[in-house]
Amino acid sequence: EPEVTQTPSHQVTQMGQEVILRCVPISNHLYFYWYRQILGQKVEFLVSFYNNEISEKSEIFDDQFSVERPDGSNFTLKIRSTKLEDSAMYFCASSQSENSPLHFGNGTRLTVT
Amino acid sequence: GQNIDQPTEMTATEGAIVQINCTYQTSGFNGLFWYQQHAGEAPTFLSYNVLDGLEEKGRFSSFLSRSKGYSYLLLKELQMKDSASYLCAGDSYGTNAGKSTFGDGTTLTVKP
Repeated sequence: EPEVTQTPSHQVTQMGQEVILRCVPISNHLYFYWYRQILGQKVEFLVSFYNNEISEKSEIFDDQFSVERPDGSNFTLKIRSTKLEDSAMYFCASSQSENSPLHFGNGTRLTVT
Repeated sequence: GQNIDQPTEMTATEGAIVQINCTYQTSGFNGLFWYQQHAGEAPTFLSYNVLDGLEEKGRFSSFLSRSKGYSYLLLKELQMKDSASYLCAGDSYGTNAGKSTFGDGTTLTVKP
């Protein structure tokens, strides 16, 4: 069964550094998302992406965050200047259509020190 | 906006039946998802209800009442591997299309 893949599985970075989290969505899916989950807390929506542009973003997704689909397969999340509170598991997800189930990747655990 | 409520924790015995409730208050509500999340892993899709009524899928069933803003996930013949967090997520149409709002999750512990 096709799956969403994310790299790296774990990223450790120092406060103020830039990080790029990478995702390869399922190939025939058209909608892409980033969610995050702080340890012990709920899954939180960050951003949705369709037709090469952001379709919606949450209050969490401020100017420090950006997303890009640099080619036909990758979907990236960049955090420009990481803060301690950015430490979380970041999940990429994709779906075939707007209201179809989300297929999640295994996540990237980001630790900011 | 969206507000999703579900119990924090539940405990049940292997072989038993358990019902996990979820209430929601959403604008532009389209449907309700249930996901399962084992500790340290990604959520995986269980069910999606758009219309009122019960959807059965093997040992798992999900129910939706749009008029009451209420859903439940029913797990039958519980197995130890069903110990996990169960996430209720509301889906919206219109300006929020494609954005799922998750509840805090219900941690289910299945005991022998």
